[in-house]
Amino acid sequence: AQSVAQPEDQVNVAEGNPLTVKCTYSVSGNPYLFWYVQYPNRGLQFLLKYITGDNLVKGSYGFEAEFNKSQTSFHLKKPSALVSDSALYFCAVRDTPGGSQGNLIFGKGTKLSVKP
Amino acid sequence: NAGVMQNPRHLVRRRGQEARLRCSPMKGHSHVYWYRQLPEEGLKFMVYLQKENIIDESGMPKERFSAEFPKEGPSILRIQQVVRGDSAAYFCASSLGTASSYEQYFGPGTRLTVT
Repeated sequence: AQSVAQPEDQVNVAEGNPLTVKCTYSVSGNPYLFWYVQYPNRGLQFLLKYITGDNLVKGSYGFEAEFNKSQTSFHLKKPSALVSDSALYFCAVRDTPGGSQGNLIFGKGTKLSVKP
Repeated sequence: NAGVMQNPRHLVRRRGQEARLRCSPMKGHSHVYWYRQLPEEGLKFMVYLQKENIIDESGMPKERFSAEFPKEGPSILRIQQVVRGDSAAYFCASSLGTASSYEQYFGPGTRLTVT
């Protein structure tokens, strides 16, 4: 069965510093991986996805993620954090890559706190 | 282009009552997914529907829960005889299709509280 793990419940970063939010996955076959962000009392917003191709994926709001097949990881990164980046971040994998379904399997989420 | 709409945003029900949650997908989207988010947890898939068809309901409890996506109108998630454990945020997502290029767009969620 497909799964993702986010090993950190919370990440604290000072504004202007680089940030990393970690995600590892376990899938059979090639993974379709996603990052979403959730602000308080809001729905999830799509940040970026990896399907195939370049291992470094660029997304919204200056975020990027690096797909590492040997380490089965898909860590989210940003070179310089903003206070407004403070939110809950979810890593997700598609349940049946390439199949007829499309539902996502989510990690538990990582709360990112950026202090001024 | 309006995003995914969900209503109500907040719903309070007493134990034993019925809860009806509505989701209007983005314009042009015919694929709808329902997820449930329990406190301090990630989202869990419940059901996947296309217009007039349930494609995958493997994540939905067998009893008390049902979903539909009629030809006209919003998708509805219905919970009968609610219990306290049903208290959660319920999110709907829509997509153009299931091809890899299509990501899911989420609504703001309905927060159900069972008293």
